[in-house]
Amino acid sequence: GAVVSQHPSRVICKSGTSVKIECRSLDFQATTMFWYRQFPKQSLMLMATSNEGSKATYEQGVEKDKFLINHASLTLSTLTVTSAHPEDSSFYICSARGRGGNYGYTFGSGTRLTVV
Amino acid sequence: SQQGEEDPQALSIQEGENATMNCSYKTSINNLQWYRQNSGRGLVHLILIRSNEREKHSGRLRVTLDTSKKSSSLLITASRAADTASYFCAILTGGGNKLTFGTGTQLKVEL
Repeated sequence: GAVVSQHPSRVICKSGTSVKIECRSLDFQATTMFWYRQFPKQSLMLMATSNEGSKATYEQGVEKDKFLINHASLTLSTLTVTSAHPEDSSFYICSARGRGGNYGYTFGSGTRLTVV
Repeated sequence: SQQGEEDPQALSIQEGENATMNCSYKTSINNLQWYRQNSGRGLVHLILIRSNEREKHSGRLRVTLDTSKKSSSLLITASRAADTASYFCAILTGGGNKLTFGTGTQLKVEL
């Protein structure tokens, strides 16, 4: 079945630094990737949608200059949290969708970001 | 908000009992999906029910869909401790490309 690998699973960084999270589709071409943010005991909130080779589309209220998304290939998307602050601490999850079909969203295992 | 509302928010049952979770949504849909999330992990797709279906089964899972009431339910029969997780319903929004999640139900199955 489709597999999405997300790294790192956990990261701790200092305030002001940047952190990059990778999301790779291992056995299929991901034409679209999605990045979600999840606070403890809450639902997943979509941050942005990225299509290979084009700029990401951000949801309302998400700062595109703070959360940089790159989808340079059909198997890799990255989310970079720039100038991280403690309030950016959260669980970030990517999801990838291949060609065709109206379902078939495969999720990464998530990244726990803690900014100290 | 197009986000689905789920109830209950939390559910604690004994092993062997059935667990029922409900989801309500606001828009018209082509299908509705249910996902499971173990604590601190990604999501696993459980089952999809199309808008022209009223009920669907998969193993110990039974999903119903009532499009007139814009609601769906997920029933887990003969629950096990390993079923302890959060369960989310999700619908496609944004022209059928974005997956929007409900608020989730935290299920705890005790031995």
